[in-house]
Order: sequence, then structure tokens, then C-alpha cells
Amino acid sequence: DAKTTQPPSMDCAEGRAANLPCNHSTISGNEYVYWYRQIHSQGPQYIIHGLKNNETNEMASLIITEDRKSSTLILPHATLRDTAVYYCIVSPSGTYKYIFGTGTRLKVLA
Amino acid sequence: DADVTQTPRNRITKTGKRIMLECSQTKGHDRMYWYRQDPGLGLRLIYYSFDVKDINKGEISDGYSVSRQAQAKFSLSLESAIPNQTALYFCATSDPASGPNEQFFGPGTRLTVL
Repeated sequence: DAKTTQPPSMDCAEGRAANLPCNHSTISGNEYVYWYRQIHSQGPQYIIHGLKNNETNEMASLIITEDRKSSTLILPHATLRDTAVYYCIVSPSGTYKYIFGTGTRLKVLA
Repeated sequence: DADVTQTPRNRITKTGKRIMLECSQTKGHDRMYWYRQDPGLGLRLIYYSFDVKDINKGEISDGYSVSRQAQAKFSLSLESAIPNQTALYFCATSDPASGPNEQFFGPGTRLTVL
């Protein structure tokens, strides 16, 4: 079973920030939080990952709560091309083990 | 050129046939993975390989076998295909030396078993 819980779907207006939540209440101390997205039926694409601290890159920001039991992926200015299924995954660093849940289907509206 | 390629991209076959799906990568990564995805669901791990001599079963390996012919090539075989193996199959690679296990996925192979 997936170790994360995400809402099945969300809508966001184009140009607005998209905030995608993820609960991972059983996360262990050595487990990272990873976010991937899958556009249509393409291969998943890595977005960002973090352990404790908030992280930002050119695609998104990742906010992890202090107790690490939940996180939020932020797409600061969503575009139509951000319409995709977003997966939140927790996994120990250096291991193979990704367990994908069903993700959040984000629809960006014009 | 894509870093992770999969062939074929689409395949329709019949029950009982042997099928091979191939994955090649130019990223120089040691770790390679095979996943399947059923409609509306996330990806599930079939097999993974940490190097040419190291192959391991994932969560749904029954009915599948793999071969790691070289660092760059990882093949998935269905010895006798059955309809419930109809799915989207993805290959992925990773290099733990370059960070916490970011995986790079190929474009996928859509397999239909009639």
C-alpha cells in the first residue's frame, strides 16, 4: 500500500498557484519526499524532493511540515501544460523502493 | 535523443505468445527498473537491477522475467502473455551517486494482450 494520501483531483486557474497536498503520517526519519508528475500516459517526470527543509527549484517548491507528516507541492504560476497526475512518494534515500499511489489529477483551467 | 528509450512503443499480441520489451539508456546509470501501470492506477514495480549481475523481484514479478544484457540494456519478457498483462510498461533508471534516487523514466510501451 502507498504510504501517502493525496486528494484524487484538483482544479487550478491558469496563472494562479497550484498547491497540492500530501499526507505521509508514517514517514520515517530517513525517508525523503519525492514528487513526480505524469502528463497523459507519458513516463513520470521528476519534479522535486526533500527531507526536512523546504526546497525550491525551477519547476516548483516543496513545503514540508515541521513534524514531516505532510507536505505541499507548489506550482507558483500554473499553466495549461501543468495539467497532469502528480504523485507524492516517500522513500529512503539510496533504495529502489518507490510505491506509487493513485496521485492527484490536476487540471489547469484557462 | 532521449536518454531512456523503449521498444516497441505499442504492441498487440495474443494470449500465450512470448513477448519481449526492451529498454536502453544512455545515461550511464547502473540501476534500472521495470514498472507496469494499469488504467487509473499508479506504477507498480516488476523487477529492478542494481548492476549487470544483480537482478531482483519487485512487488508483481509473477509471469515476468528480465535480462540485463549490459549496463545500458534491460529487457522484460512475458513468457506466455495473458490478457490481464495488458498495461502500460515503463522502464526507468537511476544513479544513487548523483543524489537521492531520482528516477528517469522512458516513454512507455503500451501492451495489449488479446
